[in-house]
Formats: sequence, structure tokens, C-alpha cells
Amino acid sequence: DADVTQTPRNRITKTGKRIMLECSQTKGHDRMYWYRQDPGLGLRLIYYSFDVKDINKGEISDGYSVSRQAQAKFSLSLESAIPNQTALYFCATRASGSYNEQFFGPGTRLTVL
Amino acid sequence: KQEVTQIPAALSVPEGENLVLNCSFTDSAIYNLQWFRQDPGKGLTSLLLIQSSQREQTSGRLNASLDKSSGRSTLYIAASQPGDSATYLCAARGSQGNLIFGKGTKLSVKP
Repeated sequence: DADVTQTPRNRITKTGKRIMLECSQTKGHDRMYWYRQDPGLGLRLIYYSFDVKDINKGEISDGYSVSRQAQAKFSLSLESAIPNQTALYFCATRASGSYNEQFFGPGTRLTVL
Repeated sequence: KQEVTQIPAALSVPEGENLVLNCSFTDSAIYNLQWFRQDPGKGLTSLLLIQSSQREQTSGRLNASLDKSSGRSTLYIAASQPGDSATYLCAARGSQGNLIFGKGTKLSVKP
């Protein structure tokens, strides 16, 4: 079984709809991250969380919100989706400590029409 | 602010060649640097992680080096195969534990 899972894997939605992307991990890591990937722009950080009560904005948080329901679960919400939020979204986890590796989920492909 | 650059953006080589992918970063105060592979439309596969105290890491035909003083890392692929065709991403660890990614090098290995 995968250590970091994301649901759904693919989603098509319409402008103005609310949508939630979910991430779960079984690695026992306390740090979790959400990134988006756009063609030609690489991956950019949306939000990150150090634990259930510690949530922080990343480089491109506008239009997004997150919820850390438990140590193992970190959800990303688009309150009112717009077409330029069409992208590939990745969740990642990392154990605390300065030198630990980051592990990525399989990604969610989101299309906003 | 850390910035990561990868050159070239795309590379095409015949099968069997040895090749080098380049990654540069602007802030030498990094904790570590990770190299990833990404197949089209797929997730990221971690290839190698180099800690700031290390000079290189090896895994099979892959060797990654790190030179903090010059702000550079290279990924060396020996005896390339068509199955190596993918986009290769390097990422430097930021101060909050997040990764700062380059835009990638798209590698095509021709049979």
C-alpha cells in the first residue's frame, strides 16, 4: 500500500464550485505540504503544516484553504474554483528534523472548466 | 529567496550515452537537495537525496553531486536507456522544510 495517498486522482469541475482534495499518509510524519504543478512553472508551495495546530501559507495560497483533521490527514479546498486553478496537485510529507527526505503522493489532476 | 534553475530544459541523446543534468541554486545555505524523476502526468519518484554535508550520492547508474560553494548540483546518468526518458527535477530544501523546485529537464533517450 502507498504511504501517501491522494483522492480523487482526477477531477473535472466547473467554475465557482467548491472542491476538496484529500491527502492521507501512513508514514507517521508530522509535516505535510500541498504543492501545485503547472506546465513550465515547476512545483510551487500552497500551504504547509507542522502539526494539527500549526498551519502556514506558502508561496501561492490565495484562493485555497486547508484543514489538518488529524496528523495523518491534510485536505486542500478550493472555495470557488476558477480555470487558472487547473493544475496537478501534490501532497507531501516529511518527518521533523532538518535533514529528512520529503515523500510525495501520486497527485490529483484538477481541471476547472 | 532561494531560486533553483535547471539547464538544459530539454535534452535528447542516443541510447548508451553518459549524460549530465545540471541544477543551480542561489542560496548556498541549504539543508539538502533532492533529485526526482517524473513520468508524463505522473507523480514524483525520489531518486537521490544529498545532505548539505555530503559531496555525492550514488544509486545504480545514477550519481548526484553537490557543491554548496558554487551553488551547483549535477545528476550523472551512466549508459542511458530509453526507459530513462522522463523529466528530472531537482529541489533544494527551504527553511520551512518545503522544497523549492527547478522547472526540470526533459530527457529523451532514443533507441
